[in-house]
Amino acid sequence: GNSVTQMEGPVTLSEEAFLTINCTYTATGYPSLFWYVQYPGEGLQLLLKATKADDKGSNKGFEATYRKETTSFHLEKGSVQVSDSAVYFCALSDAPFLNDMRFGAGTRLTVKP
Amino acid sequence: DTEVTQTPKHLVMGMTNKKSLKCEQHMGHRAMYWYKQKAKKPPELMFVYSYEKLSINESVPSRFSPECPNSSLLNLHLHALQPEDSALYLCASSLRSGADSYEQYFGPGTRLTVT
Repeated sequence: GNSVTQMEGPVTLSEEAFLTINCTYTATGYPSLFWYVQYPGEGLQLLLKATKADDKGSNKGFEATYRKETTSFHLEKGSVQVSDSAVYFCALSDAPFLNDMRFGAGTRLTVKP
Repeated sequence: DTEVTQTPKHLVMGMTNKKSLKCEQHMGHRAMYWYKQKAKKPPELMFVYSYEKLSINESVPSRFSPECPNSSLLNLHLHALQPEDSALYLCASSLRSGADSYEQYFGPGTRLTVT
């Protein structure tokens, strides 16, 4: 079955540091890939997405490239801010509106001033 | 408008109470979802509605009863809950078809505490 594996956290960085959160997936079909972010006390927000191989999703300075050859979708940001502190979930879906949205375990990021 | 709203934001209920959670979206989405999220865990799917019909029930106990009165509204009726049901309950919605139907939009959640 489909699954997502994320690097374990927590991750603590200083402001303006480079961020990478690793995500790899296993899927039988051709999934769409997502990064969701959850700020403290809030729901999940869609951060970025990619729907096919070699697509790059980007938003708010975050980027992730859909790599079919390595089955990866790593999240990167060149310079993190304190306001980026949150939990980040990698997810995939290859069967929309069904029960096929698979989430990774989540990675907690803390950015210190 | 890409907003999913949920009420109430917080709810404390006793094990003998009956309460309801409400979710609303006006994006024209025809698939709606209930998730349960425990602390430091990813969301777990509970129910999926497609075109106002229940299409998936992930073996959720009967003390949780979903309802979809129309295409914009989703309710979750709660009765005789247990303390272990305390969690963040998230509602989400998505398009029913098309290239953008894979992504789900989440509400802010209802923080439920069962005493």
